[in-house]
Amino acid sequence: SAVISQKPSRDICQRGTSLTIQCQVDSQVTMMFWYRQQPGQSLTLIATANQGSEATYESGFVIDKFPISRPNLTFSTLTVSNMSPEDSSIYLCSVGQGLYTEAFFGQGTRLTVV
Amino acid sequence: QKEVEQDPGPLSVPEGAIVSLNCTYSNSAFQYFMWYRQYSRKGPELLMYTYSSGNKEDGRFTAQVDKSSKYISLFIRDSQPSDSATYLCAATTSGTYKYIFGTGTRLKVLA
Repeated sequence: SAVISQKPSRDICQRGTSLTIQCQVDSQVTMMFWYRQQPGQSLTLIATANQGSEATYESGFVIDKFPISRPNLTFSTLTVSNMSPEDSSIYLCSVGQGLYTEAFFGQGTRLTVV
Repeated sequence: QKEVEQDPGPLSVPEGAIVSLNCTYSNSAFQYFMWYRQYSRKGPELLMYTYSSGNKEDGRFTAQVDKSSKYISLFIRDSQPSDSATYLCAATTSGTYKYIFGTGTRLKVLA
């Protein structure tokens, strides 16, 4: 399985600011995704990061709030913009290789907005 | 109704017990089913991956899918304190990586 590194692992941010989370994979992968895991809630897919084009967002998530970049097959960033305390959550990068196979997760970024 | 339902627990068992973790789902189009283990402050780790109905075994872990009842299970034999974690089930349809996750069951194996 791919080794997925996320930075930062945790952060405490002021409301109204933005945080960019990086996801680096040790090998080229077909698919990269961003999930959110709120306390007591299931993991929720935010978007699929598409290489060289705009990300595909799930219902309830918009590009202005969660801009995503994917410049190549091993790297992606998720920005949480204009943060509020409701954005406090764990954000997880996930990758998949090939079609219809299992997905692997990074360690996550624990974000607290104060 | 959530697409994937999972009892949040916590479930406490003595060391050596057989653990049964369960999920139900509502979408009959789900074809792929996964179990992830998540330790505190860590990302989910893939444990088992099954396609359609049937059983799959890997060491002390057995995943079972019953599509007729829309029920998925993970059995852990000879449970160890190191198995204490949150277990997440997930499902997806064919041709997509859009996994739908349960909320996770917190397991405690007592030494």
